[in-house]
Amino acid sequence: AQKVTQAQTEISVVEKEDVTLDCVYETRDTTYYLFWYKQPPSGELVFLIRRNSFDEQNEISGRYSWNFQKSTSSFNFTITASQVVDSAVYFCALSEVWQGGSEKLVFGKGTKLTVNP
Amino acid sequence: GAGVSQSPRYKVAKRGQDVALRCDPISGHVSLFWYQQALGQGPEFLTYFQNEAQLDKSGLPSDRFFAERPEGSVSTLKIQRTQQEDSAVYLCASSPYKTGGDEQYFGPGTRLTVT
Repeated sequence: AQKVTQAQTEISVVEKEDVTLDCVYETRDTTYYLFWYKQPPSGELVFLIRRNSFDEQNEISGRYSWNFQKSTSSFNFTITASQVVDSAVYFCALSEVWQGGSEKLVFGKGTKLTVNP
Repeated sequence: GAGVSQSPRYKVAKRGQDVALRCDPISGHVSLFWYQQALGQGPEFLTYFQNEAQLDKSGLPSDRFFAERPEGSVSTLKIQRTQQEDSAVYLCASSPYKTGGDEQYFGPGTRLTVT
């Protein structure tokens, strides 16, 4: 069965610190997708990144970077020079290719990040 | 706006009442998902539509939960005889369904409180 574990329930940092959010997943499939979503206090989930299981290349987007390692089944997310606006709950999610063509997401429990000024 | 919209944003129901939650997906999106998010938890899958066809309802917690998307656009999630454990945020998401693995675009959710 699919499972996503975000071991860090809450993280608190001071502005400008770097912070890494951990994500470990379990799946039996060889083809799957991994996602990160941000949920600010307003409640709406905001898509950040998608990575497929065949692409282990790390990605950087501004202050955000992602480290995908199949060998350890991890897909970690790093925010460099954190800002107060980064405060939110961050979810890692997994989907498997389903015969119907579109895939439900299995989410972790989320990590609440608080960035203090 | 062009995003996913949901209504109502907040709903308070007395135990035993029926409720209906509406989702307007992004125009042209083929796939529509419903998720339930309990307080402090990640969203959990309820059901999936591809156009008007409900292809996966494995996450619906009981036969009190029913979803439809009759014309392949707007969807309604109905909960009959609500119970306190149904209190949660109900999220709708849509995706364009191109080649699979599409990101899902989420609406703001409906917060249901059953008293």
